[in-house]
Amino acid sequence: DIQVTQSPATLSASVGDRVTVTCRASQIISDWLAWYQQKPGKAPKLLIYKASTLQSGVPSRFSGSGSGTEFTLTISGLQPEDFGTYYCQHYNSYPWNFGQGTKVEIK
Amino acid sequence: QVQLQESGPGLVKPSGTLSLTCTVSGDSIGTYRWSWIRQSPGKGLEWIGYIYYIGSTNYNPSLKNRVTMSLDRSTNQFSLKLTSVSAADTAVYYCARSPDNGWTYFFDYWGQGKQVTVSS
Repeated sequence: DIQVTQSPATLSASVGDRVTVTCRASQIISDWLAWYQQKPGKAPKLLIYKASTLQSGVPSRFSGSGSGTEFTLTISGLQPEDFGTYYCQHYNSYPWNFGQGTKVEIK
Repeated sequence: QVQLQESGPGLVKPSGTLSLTCTVSGDSIGTYRWSWIRQSPGKGLEWIGYIYYIGSTNYNPSLKNRVTMSLDRSTNQFSLKLTSVSAADTAVYYCARSPDNGWTYFFDYWGQGKQVTVSS
């Protein structure tokens, strides 16, 4: 199985900051990676797929990059509503696995 | 607007069978892939498996021996059965949709989630 590992586990940032979350895959997964945002008590929400394609309706301050084994999610200009936990998910081969999550807190 | 809604018992006895149904509204269940995903504090998000609209399935090997998924196009529903449950199966269970246009095994629509607790 391919594992995906996120870092950091938690980050605290101020409104307007540029925030970066990293996801590392245990094997090469091309660009078969998605990012989700989850708020407490809610289902995850798709932000980005195929490493860098923004899902319809998602604000342009969210962006994704990377291929192979190293990927990043960037929030350019953190907003108060961006608090929550962010997950990466690979879909290169079965079984699809999720990262353990990065909790983003607003200072 | 596509909506998914999980339903089923919230409490299951150990060694019993967990049964959940996902009702899809706002679109036909045809031409998509439909997954079950669960989330627990200990294991995070775990993909359980998917069923394609034609009925073919693919299950996570970690659960394969205990999982069965089915789909009913006439009611726009799909279902999950997980047998021989234990406390380790306690989780929030989500149903979710994947698009069907190439290698698109991500999840663009999710249900709100159903808490299932395994306890006597």
